[in-house]
Amino acid sequence: QKEVEQDPGPLSVPEGAIVSLNCTYSNSAFQYFMWYRQYSRKGPELLMYTYSSGNKEDGRFTAQVDKSSKYISLFIRDSQPSDSATYLCAMSDPGGSARQLTFGSGTQLTVLP
Amino acid sequence: DAGVIQSPRHEVTEMGQEVTLRCKPISGHNSLFWYRQTMMRGLELLIYFNNNVPIDDSGMPEDRFSAKMPNASFSTLKIQPSEPRDSAVYFCASSLGGPGSSYNSPLHFGNGTRLTVT
Repeated sequence: QKEVEQDPGPLSVPEGAIVSLNCTYSNSAFQYFMWYRQYSRKGPELLMYTYSSGNKEDGRFTAQVDKSSKYISLFIRDSQPSDSATYLCAMSDPGGSARQLTFGSGTQLTVLP
Repeated sequence: DAGVIQSPRHEVTEMGQEVTLRCKPISGHNSLFWYRQTMMRGLELLIYFNNNVPIDDSGMPEDRFSAKMPNASFSTLKIQPSEPRDSAVYFCASSLGGPGSSYNSPLHFGNGTRLTVT
């Protein structure tokens, strides 16, 4: 079993829809949780970053962490065609070999105009 | 800020040949990472440098892989001899921070080198 599980999709939604992307994990030591966005033929770029449990909002994006369920989510409101990309969750253990991120496999999202 | 610069963008080589991938991190960043991305395995950390010193190379798959960071502005990942199963996109990333530091400094990725070994 992988430490981080993420549904690869592909996920296709109409413009304006609310998108929910999710990851589950097994390592209870994970404390830092991130979402990266990767456009085709590009490197991943950091989208959201949260520490421990709770919610964080940034414009149309909301990241949620539920450590009791070992479950994290990224919500995209009023999705736009420019949001079409692969979204990777990533997490890390502060006590581990510093700065090592464990990535999910990524969910490919297409927002149709 | 030019971002993380990787070269070449594409590399096609024959099995058995030596391949060298290059990376210039963002100026001022003191941590550098090499990742490999495939459809089957996703993003895998190969090696991590802090202040030019290799900190963790446990992700390097075999002795055929080696990485160096001779100075703060340059790193190489070498595969010798290359094999078809090495075909992947190789990313370099850099950040500011070190062991035990906070994660407020995100990883900045380059656009990768797409390696095809035939």
